[in-house]
Amino acid sequence: GQSLEQPSEVTAVEGAIVQINCTYQTSGFYGLSWYQQHDGGAPTFLSYNALDGLEETGRFSSFLSRSDSYGYLLLQELQMKDSASYFCAVGSDDKIIFGKGTRLHILP
Amino acid sequence: EAGVVQSPRYKIIEKKQPVAFWCNPISGHNTLYWYLQNLGQGPELLIRYENEEAVDDSQLPKDRFSAERLKGVDSTLKIQPAELGDSAVYLCASSLDNRPGELFFGEGSRLTVL
Repeated sequence: GQSLEQPSEVTAVEGAIVQINCTYQTSGFYGLSWYQQHDGGAPTFLSYNALDGLEETGRFSSFLSRSDSYGYLLLQELQMKDSASYFCAVGSDDKIIFGKGTRLHILP
Repeated sequence: EAGVVQSPRYKIIEKKQPVAFWCNPISGHNTLYWYLQNLGQGPELLIRYENEEAVDDSQLPKDRFSAERLKGVDSTLKIQPAELGDSAVYLCASSLDNRPGELFFGEGSRLTVL
């Protein structure tokens, strides 16, 4: 079967760095994406990794290790507006499957 | 550039009533998705279209749900009859063929079945 695992909640302090991990089991894997969703809002695309390594976009970075079936999202210089849910999503056999999401709480 | 547009944003109906949701994807995006999202959960795929063709509808409960994408642009998702458990947010997304990991979502249609 196919599965994605990510922590349900993470708490960090404003200005700090936080890492949200995602592990997956799937067939026909072709890439890992990350999405941000604020309460009541639409999921918005953050990053996509098809190859191993680190992708950086401003304060956000995403990492993929295909051999370990593992990836993470790294958020730096946390701001209060980063409080949201973060979803990893795998591309697998022409499907895009989402994890259950990680709720990020940021303390002032 | 306009994003993915969905309507209605909110719908409240009684069980056993029909309901329909409409989606207009981003211009030029051939792939269109309907997802269902329950509170505190990730989006779950209902159906995926490549142009007019439904290429993956394996998760669509076909006894009560139907979808169409006429002319390969707009799409509608219908539920008839609605059940209490159908209360959720129905999300439409679209993507370009050459960027399979990057989906653009609409604001969603929040359905409440009483």
